[in-house]
Amino acid sequence: DSGVTQTPKHLITATGQRVTLRCSPRSGDLSVYWYQQSLDQGLQFLIQYYNGEERAKGNILERFSAQQFPDLHSELNLSSLELGDSALYFCASSVTEGQHTEAFFGQGTRLTVV
Amino acid sequence: GENVEQHPSTLSVQEGDSAVIKCTYSDSASNYFPWYKQELGKRPQLIIDIRSNVGEKKDQRIAVTLNKTAKHFSLHITETQPEDSAVYFCAASIRGSGGGADGLTFGKGTHLIIQP
Repeated sequence: DSGVTQTPKHLITATGQRVTLRCSPRSGDLSVYWYQQSLDQGLQFLIQYYNGEERAKGNILERFSAQQFPDLHSELNLSSLELGDSALYFCASSVTEGQHTEAFFGQGTRLTVV
Repeated sequence: GENVEQHPSTLSVQEGDSAVIKCTYSDSASNYFPWYKQELGKRPQLIIDIRSNVGEKKDQRIAVTLNKTAKHFSLHITETQPEDSAVYFCAASIRGSGGGADGLTFGKGTHLIIQP
């Protein structure tokens, strides 16, 4: 167990809908990272928050947004869902602001868009 | 942005033999290179990492080498065992658009198969 908790584990929704994925980082970790894993694109960095503030953006679509709350949990919001958004979404956390130390991954949320 | 290439995509070795996975990166500013192991349906887990001020690092049967001039790094697993079967990802740190912090750019992964 990495100490990073993601909910829900599985999510099935229809095209055009909006979903929210939730992540609780390890105790003491201030950074939260979101990654998308799909068969064709592999593991892709989406966005990072550190202590409530956005720190880095990767290949995140405009239809996607995230935030980190004062208690340090984070939510990834995916809207106007398309079939191609079906993927495994991972959250990771680390103690440092930059990802130069071990990042601990949660078990992931498997999103299926039908 | 950073681009990480990983080879091979699939590697099959006999139990007890060594396995080598190679990665190249494009951004000379990258300075952190972790390797993650992912078993089917599980989360990625860090197995070893190396920073740009070090050329080689070893942890029991696992070693990583880094050549900053050539911008490539490799994972070496010796005396392979059945439990080493998994997908291995290399990664490099990138400077995010926020300027101050980094995400990781991952390679496409190598499916390592250990034949009994």
